[in-house]
Amino acid sequence: QKEVEQDPGPLSVPEGAIVSLNCTYSNSAFQYFMWYRQYSRKGPELLMYTYSSGNKEDGRFTAQVDKSSKYISLFIRDSQPSDSATYLCAMSSTGANNLFFGTGTRLTVIP
Amino acid sequence: EAGVVQSPRYKIIEKKQPVAFWCNPISGHNTLYWYLQNLGQGPELLIRYENEEAVDDSQLPKDRFSAERLKGVDSTLKIQPAELGDSAVYLCASGTRHHGDGYTFGSGTRLTVV
Repeated sequence: QKEVEQDPGPLSVPEGAIVSLNCTYSNSAFQYFMWYRQYSRKGPELLMYTYSSGNKEDGRFTAQVDKSSKYISLFIRDSQPSDSATYLCAMSSTGANNLFFGTGTRLTVIP
Repeated sequence: EAGVVQSPRYKIIEKKQPVAFWCNPISGHNTLYWYLQNLGQGPELLIRYENEEAVDDSQLPKDRFSAERLKGVDSTLKIQPAELGDSAVYLCASGTRHHGDGYTFGSGTRLTVV
């Protein structure tokens, strides 16, 4: 079993839709949770960062962490065609340790 | 700021040949990572440097892979000899020691072994 599981999709939604992306994990030591966005033929870029449980909002993006269920989510409101990319969850047990990535979910927002 | 610069962007080689990838991190970033990303998968760590010291190379296949970071700045990842299964994207990233500061990935080198 992988330490981080992520539905690979692909996910296709109309412009303006709310998108929900999710990951589950098995290592209870994970405390740092991140979402990266990766455009085609580019490296991942950090989108959201959350420490421990709770919610964090940044513009149209909301990250949620539920450590009791070992489940994290990323919500995208009012999705735009420019949001079309692969979204990778990543997590770590310490602030400086190795990141464990999910497989990524490929999202397409249709105009 | 140029970001993390990797070269070459693409490389096609025959199996059993050697290949090297180069990474120039963001100035001032002490931590440097090499990741391997297979198609449809998330990145997997190969090696992590703090300055010039390799602090985590447990996932680096040392029989054929080697890496160096001279003077704690640029880094080179080498494969010798390459195998068909090494075809993937090799990503370099640099950052401070804390994930919360975000670390920056380069665009990667796409290796095809034929």
